[in-house]
Order: sequence, then structure tokens, then C-alpha cells
Amino acid sequence: QQQVKQSPQSLIVQKGGISIINCAYENTAFDYFPWYQQFPGKGPALLIAIRPDVSEKKEGRFTISFNKSAKQFSLHIMDSQPGDSATYFCAASGGSARQLTFGSGTQLTVLP
Amino acid sequence: ETGVTQTPRHLVMGMTNKKSLKCEQHLGHNAMYWYKQSAKKPLELMFVYNFKEQTENNSVPSRFSPECPNSSHLFLHLHTLQPEDSALYLCASSQERGLPLHFGNGTRLTVT
Repeated sequence: QQQVKQSPQSLIVQKGGISIINCAYENTAFDYFPWYQQFPGKGPALLIAIRPDVSEKKEGRFTISFNKSAKQFSLHIMDSQPGDSATYFCAASGGSARQLTFGSGTQLTVLP
Repeated sequence: ETGVTQTPRHLVMGMTNKKSLKCEQHLGHNAMYWYKQSAKKPLELMFVYNFKEQTENNSVPSRFSPECPNSSHLFLHLHTLQPEDSALYLCASSQERGLPLHFGNGTRLTVT
């Protein structure tokens, strides 16, 4: 009930391409869905977050798409750059689950 | 700087040693957290402190002992660890119990 399933585990994209990472959740009480970006040797940093009252949120090249009925949300990175190479974690919280439940991460490599 | 500082960055310890991890946050937050990060696994929440009081202990073995003397400092005391405890230990803080989380850069722990 508390799980957040993330895919793919790893992703390789050419520079300028679109990177897409997907997450699915089970707990219908979840109402906050952030994405974190982690570079090697660093802690995760909040990248972008969405609440279920909207279906999409865009910040620069990063977009979250949210499908409440399917209980899925995804991160799209447009015009991917080598500097975007990092590990990305989705997460969710809400209802009685005050703490974030994290996905297992996606290691993104953007080739120059 | 992330606003959350962790020391040491790296630690190698034997199974019979006693060591402590330190975390300090400069963000004026009231909640602090310890997470364990292992390869290809979701971040695992270990402990939560809110206004210096421990509010969550996610079935963490007693060989891990947290201490929160004030809202800015958090320690994780380690003793008689096992090799499977080798991981990246992340400290985080938030304005209140919940979101969003600000992470430190972690302590890479190796138990030999």
C-alpha cells in the first residue's frame, strides 16, 4: 500500500532527446508527489513537485505529468543535456503517511 | 552548500568499533531525519525528530542510536555494526514534519 514503483532502473538518452521516468503508487491518500535529483557524492535535491489538483506541472525543461485515475506520475526532461546525468527518485506522501515513500531510483545518462 | 552539513563524509569502521555520525542544519527547520541509502533500493527512513522529540523509529536495529540535542543538530551513534550496514547515511531536515526535505551530502559508511 505504501510502495512507489519506479521505472526504468537505468536510462541512456542522447543529448537533445527526451528522458521519461515513470512511477506508480497504490495509496490513494497520497497527495504530494516530488521528484529528487541526486548527483554522485551529493545528497538528493528537490527538483519539482506536484499535487493531484493539476495534471501537469512544468519548470523549465522538467515536466511532471500526473494521472490520478491510473495512479501514475512521470518526469519528462526535454532537450536532455549531459549535465542532467544523475539519479532521479520519485516519491509520494499524504494521508496517514506523513513521511515520503521513495521509489528505487533511475540512473540517467545523457550522452554528448 | 545545501544548508545541511554532515560529517564525516567517509567512515570505515570495524564491527566492534563505536562511532558517531553528525548532522547540522542551518535552515531553521524543526524536523530532522536519518535515511539509509543502499544501491538500487529506495531511500529507507530510519528516524524522525520533530522539535527534538523522536516521532518515528522504523524498526531500526538497536545498534543504531539517534540523538537530537536541539533542533539544529542530529547524531547517529553506531556500535557493533554488521557489513550489511555499509551504505550512504543521509541526514535531512524540513520546516515541519513532512515536506519538503533538504538533504545533506551523506556519510559513506563501510563496515569491515
